Amino acid sequence: EPEVTQTPSHQVTQMGQEVILRCVPISNHLYFYWYRQILGQKVEFLVSFYNNEISEKSEIFDDQFSVERPDGSNFTLKIRSTKLEDSAMYFCASSEGRGKNTGELFFGEGSRLTVL
Amino acid sequence: AQKVTQAQTEISVVEKEDVTLDCVYETRDTTYYLFWYKQPPSGELVFLIRRNSFDEQNEISGRYSWNFQKSTSSFNFTITASQVVDSAVYFCALSEASSNDYKLSFGAGTTVTVRA
Repeated sequence: EPEVTQTPSHQVTQMGQEVILRCVPISNHLYFYWYRQILGQKVEFLVSFYNNEISEKSEIFDDQFSVERPDGSNFTLKIRSTKLEDSAMYFCASSEGRGKNTGELFFGEGSRLTVL
Repeated sequence: AQKVTQAQTEISVVEKEDVTLDCVYETRDTTYYLFWYKQPPSGELVFLIRRNSFDEQNEISGRYSWNFQKSTSSFNFTITASQVVDSAVYFCALSEASSNDYKLSFGAGTTVTVRA
């Protein structure tokens, strides 16, 4: 069964460093997302991406964040200068966006980011 | 405004007891989708069910059942004869058709602890 894969599963970084989290969405999906979950809190929407551009972003997704689909298969989240409060689990998701699975997001297993 | 409310923060039960998780949602859309996800201690998000707004039929899957009531904007989830492996955080989520990107809005989650 196709699945969304994320790398790395866990990354530890120093404050101020750049981090890139990678995701491979399901191949025929059209919509891609990043969500964030600070430990013990709810899952929060960061950004959605469709047709090679950002569709919507939350207020969390400030200038420190960027997303890219560099090669037609990967979908990356970059944090330019990490802060302590960026420590969280980051989930990538993708959606077909139409048909019988309309509205259903398929999540990766998450990338845990720890900023020291 | 909070679109999905899970009023129960934590529920603790003894094995074999039934447990019902409440979810109340808010939307102006006539077409929307409701979801439940399970997040075990390992951290991944496990899809449990998707319901569209036109289908109010209740559903049973093994020990899991869902009660969707549009009149009260609720989508409650019951685990029958709970087991220790059911211990997890359970999230209710909403996707609105008016949202161009089908993004999910999550509730705060309910932590279920099943004691042996």
